[in-house]
Amino acid sequence: DAKTTQPPSMDCAEGRAANLPCNHSTISGNEYVYWYRQIHSQGPQYIIHGLKNNETNEMASLIITEDRKSSTLILPHATLRDTAVYYCIVSSGSSNTGKLIFGQGTTLQVKP
Amino acid sequence: EAGVVQSPRYKIIEKKQPVAFWCNPISGHNTLYWYRQNLGQGPELLIRYENEEAVDDSQLPKDRFSAERLKGVDSTLKIQPAELGDSAVYLCASSLGRQGSSPLHFGNGTRLTVT
Repeated sequence: DAKTTQPPSMDCAEGRAANLPCNHSTISGNEYVYWYRQIHSQGPQYIIHGLKNNETNEMASLIITEDRKSSTLILPHATLRDTAVYYCIVSSGSSNTGKLIFGQGTTLQVKP
Repeated sequence: EAGVVQSPRYKIIEKKQPVAFWCNPISGHNTLYWYRQNLGQGPELLIRYENEEAVDDSQLPKDRFSAERLKGVDSTLKIQPAELGDSAVYLCASSLGRQGSSPLHFGNGTRLTVT
């Protein structure tokens, strides 16, 4: 199963863009990149996912490099409520057996 | 839509006692997962169901853990007997189906403390 590497922690000023990097150099061709976040005392929350193309939704944007070996999650205007642990995950195996393998994630601290 | 519902929210038991956790997934979601999250760690998969069938239980400690998903909807995870090392947050998640196209939706978990 592909694994991901993320910085353990990051800070971001409120109102500024938060750019969270993730390396997944062993990703397979049929594996998606997923991003989840977990706010204290809550379950993980789905943010966005992509295969090859960049993706955008109401929460964030996902930029995947052309070789798919890394990606960046962008929160365009971070707020204090975005303080959380962010997990970058590559779905394992085929889509029929895929399961999320969580790493340590990046703790994002948004500061006033 | 209503999210994944788990109960109880918190549970404190003495070691060697049994405990059960309940999960109601999002309506229409065929796939259900149980994860365990230790303090400061990411969640780890225990078991995955496709409808009523447990299709991946390789990480479930079968000597003391059991799970069921009768009728392919609600699910129960049981531990008997509980050990001190079982203290963790137990998360339930559901999805529409194949991981490649369907994200997981998690409940807020049950925090278990074994004393």
